[in-house]
Amino acid sequence: QSALTQPASVSGSPGQSITISCTGTSSDVGNYNLVSWYQQHPGKAPKLIISEVSKRPSGVSNRFSGSKSGNTASLKISGLQAEDEGDYYCCSYAGSSTFEFGGGTKLTVL
Amino acid sequence: QVQLVQSGAEVKKPGASVKLSCKASEYTFTNYYMHWVRQAPGQGLAWLGIINPSGGGTAYAQKFRGRLTMTRDTSTSTVYMEMSSLRSDDTAVYYCSRSPLSGTGDFDSWGQGTLVTVSS
Repeated sequence: QSALTQPASVSGSPGQSITISCTGTSSDVGNYNLVSWYQQHPGKAPKLIISEVSKRPSGVSNRFSGSKSGNTASLKISGLQAEDEGDYYCCSYAGSSTFEFGGGTKLTVL
Repeated sequence: QVQLVQSGAEVKKPGASVKLSCKASEYTFTNYYMHWVRQAPGQGLAWLGIINPSGGGTAYAQKFRGRLTMTRDTSTSTVYMEMSSLRSDDTAVYYCSRSPLSGTGDFDSWGQGTLVTVSS
């Protein structure tokens, strides 16, 4: 059982927007602005798409955006494209040099 | 560009130990933490632990304390992860990943993964 809670699956049609939530506690997500998001395609290593809640690394599409409110962080993907299909994971610092991942969300582009 | 190259697949019997390696190149090894993350078949990512290549300090996920050891060799820019008392549910792909010493916790580069299979 993961420390951070994500929906198991979300779906959307091309061009639409979707949001994936990541709910933690006041000991992790709520206490630090150190939430990151990762995209993973089958058989591949994860790829960083959002850092420090809302920062986009160089080369990541501006269709990806992140935010946080209280103990819940969110990833929004705008203008869905077929290539966005895959698994998405949130990760938060949890204090004492430890980190936690969410259980992952499978995104299906219809 | 940054490369994290991991050692090859391993097959172990229950109760055995496994030691994996992750060799870093094309960046200053001591400027980034190194993490180990695993992914069981069909499952999500699980953070295992972190090592500071500069001083060697470590921290482990509570679930793995006592059977996980991370070390590094600065002369070869390599970090190692040793897990003991292996069980079948330790079967997973194990990744190394780096994050900046600034403490942002962004895992910005990943190794290719090493499959560890625990089976009698």
